[in-house]
Amino acid sequence: GAVVSQHPSRVICKSGTSVKIECRSLDFQATTMFWYRQFPKQSLMLMATSNEGSKATYEQGVEKDKFLINHASLTLSTLTVTSAHPEDSSFYICSARAVSQGLSTEAFFGQGTRLTVV
Amino acid sequence: GQNIDQPTEMTATEGAIVQINCTYQTSGFNGLFWYQQHAGEAPTFLSYNVLDGLEEKGRFSSFLSRSKGYSYLLLKELQMKDSASYLCAVTDSNYQLIWGAGTKLIIKP
Repeated sequence: GAVVSQHPSRVICKSGTSVKIECRSLDFQATTMFWYRQFPKQSLMLMATSNEGSKATYEQGVEKDKFLINHASLTLSTLTVTSAHPEDSSFYICSARAVSQGLSTEAFFGQGTRLTVV
Repeated sequence: GQNIDQPTEMTATEGAIVQINCTYQTSGFNGLFWYQQHAGEAPTFLSYNVLDGLEEKGRFSSFLSRSKGYSYLLLKELQMKDSASYLCAVTDSNYQLIWGAGTKLIIKP
């Protein structure tokens, strides 16, 4: 199957600093990328949807100035957590999909990034 | 609003069969996915249904009824490694994935 590479897998940062997470589709063009956050023992929560070359669409309650998403190419999207706080500690997962000819395709997930803010 | 319901937790015995149900109410429908997620890991794809009926893939099968807004994931010959959360997700008319809260499946020897 298609591969989505997410990096880093784990990161520990100090409160107030920024962290960038990369998500790459290795063998297909991802027209849409999704960023999710998952707190322990909870379901995936969609943070934002980004289409290549356009601004991301953020879900209600997600601060777009805090969680900066860039989807500059069909194979790369980045999520930057700015001025991180301990409550931002979570598991962040990206997924990438290619919507072709109006047909829905499965979403391929990155490995996830465990962010710990100390 | 958009809503996906699935049981919070289920328990089954090794070697047995378990069915995890999912009901949905979404704005449009462009397919339903089942994912498996082990603790601390990203979800992995199990199945995709867009037409009514049963899709079989090894020990796992998934069923869809669009008129009823209903799907189930059937796991046969359960193994201990099947202990995980199973997530139901529906693609709406905008091709956005709407997620259920997941069903934690506990397998007992």
